[in-house]
Amino acid sequence: QKEVEQDPGPLSVPEGAIVSLNCTYSNSAFQYFMWYRQYSRKGPELLMYTYSSGNKEDGRFTAQVDKSSKYISLFIRDSQPSDSATYLCAMSRNTGGFKTIFGAGTRLFVKA
Amino acid sequence: SAVISQKPSRDICQRGTSLTIQCQVDSQVTMMFWYRQQPGQSLTLIATANQGSEATYESGFVIDKFPISRPNLTFSTLTVSNMSPEDSSIYLCSVEEGTRDIQYFGAGTRLSVL
Repeated sequence: QKEVEQDPGPLSVPEGAIVSLNCTYSNSAFQYFMWYRQYSRKGPELLMYTYSSGNKEDGRFTAQVDKSSKYISLFIRDSQPSDSATYLCAMSRNTGGFKTIFGAGTRLFVKA
Repeated sequence: SAVISQKPSRDICQRGTSLTIQCQVDSQVTMMFWYRQQPGQSLTLIATANQGSEATYESGFVIDKFPISRPNLTFSTLTVSNMSPEDSSIYLCSVEEGTRDIQYFGAGTRLSVL
């Protein structure tokens, strides 16, 4: 079993749709949960991060962490064609020597 | 967040040659990381580079193939040695800021080996 599971997609939605991207994980020690957006031919860009459980909202983006279910989500409201990218979840533990683990990434296409 | 500059942005190299990739950060950071990302794949950690110590390599990666330098707190290089077509990939450097385990990435180096 992988430490982090993420459906690679692709996920295709019409403009304006609400997008839900998800990851599951197995290690209950993870404390930081991140979402990165990666456009084609670019490096990953940190979109949002959450420490421990709960929700975090930033404009059209909402990150949710459910530690009891070991499940994290990223919601994109009013999706735009410019949101078309690969979204990678990542998680880490704030203890020396522990690597950040990345999901496989979900490719999202938002059609105009 | 830190601004990370990576050079070159892309290169096409011949089999058997070596390429050195540079990573420059606009602030002092302790932890720097080098990743490989093959087409359509997620990130694979090559090594962790701390200033003043030898890089720590992940399973499947060795120093002879991927030597790393970390001469100060704002700069690192990764060399891909004796390249083969299987080394064609995107190479990314990243840094951790402060005490949080959150990484920020450079734009990457797209390497093609013929």
